[in-house]
Amino acid sequence: DTAVSQTPKYLVTQMGNDKSIKCEQNLGHDTMYWYKQDSKKFLKIMFSYNNKELIINETVPNRFSPKSPDKAHLNLHINSLELGDSAVYFCASSPTALTSGGTDTQYFGPGTRLTVL
Amino acid sequence: ILNVEQSPQSLHVQEGDSTNFTCSFPSSNFYALHWYRWETAKSPEALFVMTLNGDEKKKGRISATLNTKEGYSYLYIKGSQPEDSATYLCARGTSYGKLTFGQGTILTVHP
Repeated sequence: DTAVSQTPKYLVTQMGNDKSIKCEQNLGHDTMYWYKQDSKKFLKIMFSYNNKELIINETVPNRFSPKSPDKAHLNLHINSLELGDSAVYFCASSPTALTSGGTDTQYFGPGTRLTVL
Repeated sequence: ILNVEQSPQSLHVQEGDSTNFTCSFPSSNFYALHWYRWETAKSPEALFVMTLNGDEKKKGRISATLNTKEGYSYLYIKGSQPEDSATYLCARGTSYGKLTFGQGTILTVHP
């Protein structure tokens, strides 16, 4: 069983469209994250949710909106896609970030490669 | 140091060589230092989490040390094997699980 799964694996779309990427974890973790791998290959945190509550919200355009229907799922919606949104997006989860003091090991999904044409 | 920096950016070694690389990070307000191993087309996989100055961790042929006062960590691989080829990432962990990653060291082990 895959611990952290993302769908789709590849997403090719036109500029201006709205798209969603889904993430699910079956580890029983409280905290989930979205990262973007930028053009220089850095992994950068975008958002984090703990038990459905937003706890990290980095400087990300408000076209990006995370949604957590329950603590096992964290979806990423992107409106009005732009060329610069092309990247690989990774979901991750960890046991409980609120009380771990930065020590929580994060478990990553396989990534979603988004290409905006 | 304002950000997490790793060196070298890439490294080529022969099978059997031992190697090491460096992660530098801001030493103020230190919480934790993470090491991840990232193989091509796979997900980053956790190796170690270290929190205390002087911490040493070991997993098979891979070990890591931590100096929180001067803001650096070393990752060592003893007797490198081709299957060790990967990108090794370090990340500074802070409150709420925020990880700030370095750019990684790409290790290639030649048979």
